[in-house]
Amino acid sequence: AQKVTQAQTEISVVEKEDVTLDCVYETRDTTYYLFWYKQPPSGELVFLIRRNSFDEQNEISGRYSWNFQKSTSSFNFTITASQVVDSAVYFCALSVLNQGGKLIFGQGTELSVKP
Amino acid sequence: DTGVSQDPRHKITKRGQNVTFRCDPISEHNRLYWYRQTLGQGPEFLTYFQNEAQLEKSRLLSDRFSAERPKGSFSTLEIQRTEQGDSAMYLCASSSGHINEKLFFGSGTQLSVL
Repeated sequence: AQKVTQAQTEISVVEKEDVTLDCVYETRDTTYYLFWYKQPPSGELVFLIRRNSFDEQNEISGRYSWNFQKSTSSFNFTITASQVVDSAVYFCALSVLNQGGKLIFGQGTELSVKP
Repeated sequence: DTGVSQDPRHKITKRGQNVTFRCDPISEHNRLYWYRQTLGQGPEFLTYFQNEAQLEKSRLLSDRFSAERPKGSFSTLEIQRTEQGDSAMYLCASSSGHINEKLFFGSGTQLSVL
């Protein structure tokens, strides 16, 4: 069975601080995909990134960066110089091959960025 | 790309009533998914369709729940004899079916059972 754990329920930072959201996953499959989604107060889940299990390169996109480490089964997400607009709930998710592409989500981390 | 749309946005019903939600996926997407999300939790998978075929149903989908996608386009999720525990956000998502690609989500239908 697959599982995703986001141990941080809520994080509060002041604008311009860096913040890291943790994600730990469990799967016995060797081919899998990891995702991060953002859910602002409006409710719609917004896709941020997708990585496959064979690509451990870290990725940076503007103020966002992701650190994928298979050795620790983690896929952490860092926001540099946070802004108030980053306030949202962030979800990490896992998808394994041959299961129809369904996503298994973690419990989410609510990020609050204060001015 | 007009996005995934769901209707209604909010539904309030009394315990024991039947409710039906509709999802219109992105037009060229052949996979459609239903999820349920309760407060403070991540979305939980309910079921998914490949075109009109329902290929998987979660154990969360009790026999009071039924989903259809009759022509491989829009989908409906019906809950019969609603219970207070059914109160949740019901999310629909779609994808083109490429290997484990990202899902596009709608804004959801918030169900409140009184």
